[in-house]
Amino acid sequence: KAGVTQTPRYLIKTRGQQVTLSCSPISGHRSVSWYQQTPGQGLQFLFEYFSETQRNKGNFPGRFSGRQFSNSRSEMNVSTLELGDSALYLCASSVPSGATDTQYFGPGTRLTVL
Amino acid sequence: AQSVTQPDIHITVSEGASLELRCNYSYGATPYLFWYVQSPGQGLQLLLKYFSGDTLVQGIKGFEAEFKRSQSSFNLRKPSVHWSDAAEYFCAVGTGGTSYGKLTFGQGTILTVHP
Repeated sequence: KAGVTQTPRYLIKTRGQQVTLSCSPISGHRSVSWYQQTPGQGLQFLFEYFSETQRNKGNFPGRFSGRQFSNSRSEMNVSTLELGDSALYLCASSVPSGATDTQYFGPGTRLTVL
Repeated sequence: AQSVTQPDIHITVSEGASLELRCNYSYGATPYLFWYVQSPGQGLQLLLKYFSGDTLVQGIKGFEAEFKRSQSSFNLRKPSVHWSDAAEYFCAVGTGGTSYGKLTFGQGTILTVHP
């Protein structure tokens, strides 16, 4: 079974621009979570989608948004990019089942903001 | 709110030596606990998880972890480290319920393996 795929793998943008990142979950997985990883703040939860609905959201400004499509693929969008948005953005998918779920991560998208 | 602490930022061991990476969590109820490993420039790979039951869990690549409720710990161990184990290791906690789909991570421990 193919793993979680993220596109693009690398992206360079300038301040003020917007960017869209894509995530395709493992086949059969319906939950997609997004995380931001930076050297200073570590891994931080952005949001989680299930059945095209955002169920949980982390503590990030409204410039960060996402959506999920009927095939469970997800996109996240960052508008008005800032230098501090440079990070590795990781997507994870899960079934989900039971009281919690096991999340499987993609390789990430490395975003550099100049 | 839950939190995770990995007290060791960087650990160096010799190849063949044993390894223990520490993880402490803060959460009022029984948490769901995970260890992930990340190689440079890569995503996170799941090593093992604890949901309930036996407090000693086995994972991939010869790793194991033990859940100790009294100490709020979930330490990762390996009896003999290989050079390929050099990477960054993250402990994470999930709480389910209204926080379904959210993992809280520790700051990570970088493992260096000397030949």
